[in-house]
Amino acid sequence: EAGVTQFPSHSVIEKGQTVTLRCDPISGHDNLYWYRRVMGKEIKFLLHFVKESKQDESGMPNNRFLAERTGGTYSTLKVQPAELEDSGVYFCASSRRGLSSYNEQFFGPGTRLTVL
Amino acid sequence: AQTVTQSQPEMSVQEAETVTLSCTYDTSESDYYLFWYKQPPSRQMILVIRQEAYKQQNATENRFSVNFQKAAKSFSLKISDSQLGDAAMYFCAYRTLSYNTDKLIFGTGTRLQVFP
Repeated sequence: EAGVTQFPSHSVIEKGQTVTLRCDPISGHDNLYWYRRVMGKEIKFLLHFVKESKQDESGMPNNRFLAERTGGTYSTLKVQPAELEDSGVYFCASSRRGLSSYNEQFFGPGTRLTVL
Repeated sequence: AQTVTQSQPEMSVQEAETVTLSCTYDTSESDYYLFWYKQPPSRQMILVIRQEAYKQQNATENRFSVNFQKAAKSFSLKISDSQLGDAAMYFCAYRTLSYNTDKLIFGTGTRLQVFP
């Protein structure tokens, strides 16, 4: 079974540019999450999809961030326009349907975003 | 709001020795879940061990065990017979029992070095 994949692994852009991160969850996982870790700080929750619907987007920092999950499969996270403080590692995770401790969240390797 | 604190940015241990990573958390809830995740260098984060707050017995997974002190809101991870492959970032995480959300709340992480 393939794990959660994320693309690209690294992205370096200039302030004001647009970047789109992609996450492919494990096949059959209805839940998809985005998290972000700014250097040296905690990993923070951004949002949670159940299939194509946003279940919880309380962690989205501002309206420069747009997440989509068309068709309930892969998800994209677009940052437009990027600011210096958006630099960090963006993690995606997926889990099976249902809110339970046994629905383990499986993480991707992350996308390291650097905004210059 | 719940918070998770990891006060040890870095720890080191000799191969075959035992090391304990600290984690404290703050919550007003009585039921919740706690997790330890491991992120090896350049690899994805994986779940090491989980603990349900209503269970008094400490969770154990092979060489990994926890010391869960609910009243003190402490959740430390003990790694016995440390191996070189244990070198990684370790994140402590909290999850509410609420069925409205299953987002994880993480600490800042502890980098563990293992010396031969």
